[in-house]
Amino acid sequence: DTAVSQTPKYLVTQMGNDKSIKCEQNLGHDTMYWYKQDSKKFLKIMFSYNNKELIINETVPNRFSPKSPDKAHLNLHINSLELGDSAVYFCASSSMSGVGLFFGSGTQLSVL
Amino acid sequence: AQSVSQHNHHVILSEAASLELGCNYSYGGTVNLFWYVQYPGQHLQLLLKYFSGDPLVKGIKGFEAEFIKSKFSFNLRKPSVQWSDTAEYFCAVNSYNNNDMRFGAGTRLTVKP
Repeated sequence: DTAVSQTPKYLVTQMGNDKSIKCEQNLGHDTMYWYKQDSKKFLKIMFSYNNKELIINETVPNRFSPKSPDKAHLNLHINSLELGDSAVYFCASSSMSGVGLFFGSGTQLSVL
Repeated sequence: AQSVSQHNHHVILSEAASLELGCNYSYGGTVNLFWYVQYPGQHLQLLLKYFSGDPLVKGIKGFEAEFIKSKFSFNLRKPSVQWSDTAEYFCAVNSYNNNDMRFGAGTRLTVKP
């Protein structure tokens, strides 16, 4: 069983569209994250949720809205997609004891 | 907030060469330190981590890292690299008991057969 799974794996869309990426973890972790990896492989944290509550919200455009219906799920909705949003988005989870992150396989978003 | 710097952007080695990748962090308090590896087209996987105790940490696939508190460093080493070690390597840090993990910019390792 996949520990952290995110869908879709690839997402190709036009500028101005709205899209969502879903993430689920079956590890029983309390904390989930969204990271953005740009074309130079730089990893930047976007959001973090602990037990459905937002605890980290970096400087991310308001077009990005995370939603956590329960502690096993953290979805990312993006409105009015722009060319600069093209990147790989990784979901991750961890327990509160800070033992490290478990990453999903990534969603490669291409905005045309 | 803590930050991480990795000195080498791209390292190219021949098989059997020794590897050392630099990582320095800035944070005044107690930290947890990590190295992650990302093979081409794949997600990040944990190589090793340091929380406390012996500053020399051994991870998977023959990798090790040494925490030197006085230098705020956590360098990754491997005595003899293989072609299959070709990947991107990320150093990461979070403050103790805090899940706000920050990553370095990554070091791309290319191992020539």
